[in-house]
Amino acid sequence: DTGVSQNPRHKITKRGQNVTFRCDPISEHNRLYWYRQTLGQGPEFLTYFQNEAQLEKSRLLSDRFSAERPKGSFSTLEIQRTEQGDSAMYLCASSINRGQGPEAFFGQGTRLTVV
Amino acid sequence: EDQVTQSPEALRLQEGESSSLNCSYTVSGLRGLFWYRQDPGKGPEFLFTLYSAGEEKEKERLKATLTKKESFLHITAPKPEDSATYLCAVRKGAAGSGNTGKLIFGQGTTLQVKP
Repeated sequence: DTGVSQNPRHKITKRGQNVTFRCDPISEHNRLYWYRQTLGQGPEFLTYFQNEAQLEKSRLLSDRFSAERPKGSFSTLEIQRTEQGDSAMYLCASSINRGQGPEAFFGQGTRLTVV
Repeated sequence: EDQVTQSPEALRLQEGESSSLNCSYTVSGLRGLFWYRQDPGKGPEFLFTLYSAGEEKEKERLKATLTKKESFLHITAPKPEDSATYLCAVRKGAAGSGNTGKLIFGQGTTLQVKP
């Protein structure tokens, strides 16, 4: 498989529970991004990793959100004490740091529903 | 403030009826303008990258163009399978400035092509 893989594809959780999503980027890509997309809107940037280092976090990423990328491979995004406003599609993208700056390739996303 | 605005929000065409989607942007230090296609419930699929005013790229029935303030996605003789949401995004920052490569998206144009 040469694409970005995200798991699970769908997650339904009760308010207050913790959830964790996983992203496996394209193997040679050293840059990894998390975005959030709500219905009818474009994706919004959440955070960025270059290899294992988390180099930028959006103000959208509250203290309840944490992301990791151990060993610069897969990444996880955890949301603690979920709220209904966290319901959205969470997208992962990866790219390689080269030249003029190449395109980012997205996974299929994880749809989170908080009830 | 960096901003990307797409118009129209929704577009309905008859099969074979050509049209254009608009993406206007205000961003400091543009380092690429990207077009993605997104099908319902899926992640964005990369279409084109444009880097400088006057640049054009084509793929099948799609042609993307770029000026200093906007980009157009021209759809020639569309087919029902072209129905999707088309997202425009910009990447900002100057080379060597520690640019993360994050994308700023517009809200998308939802295209419906009827047979």
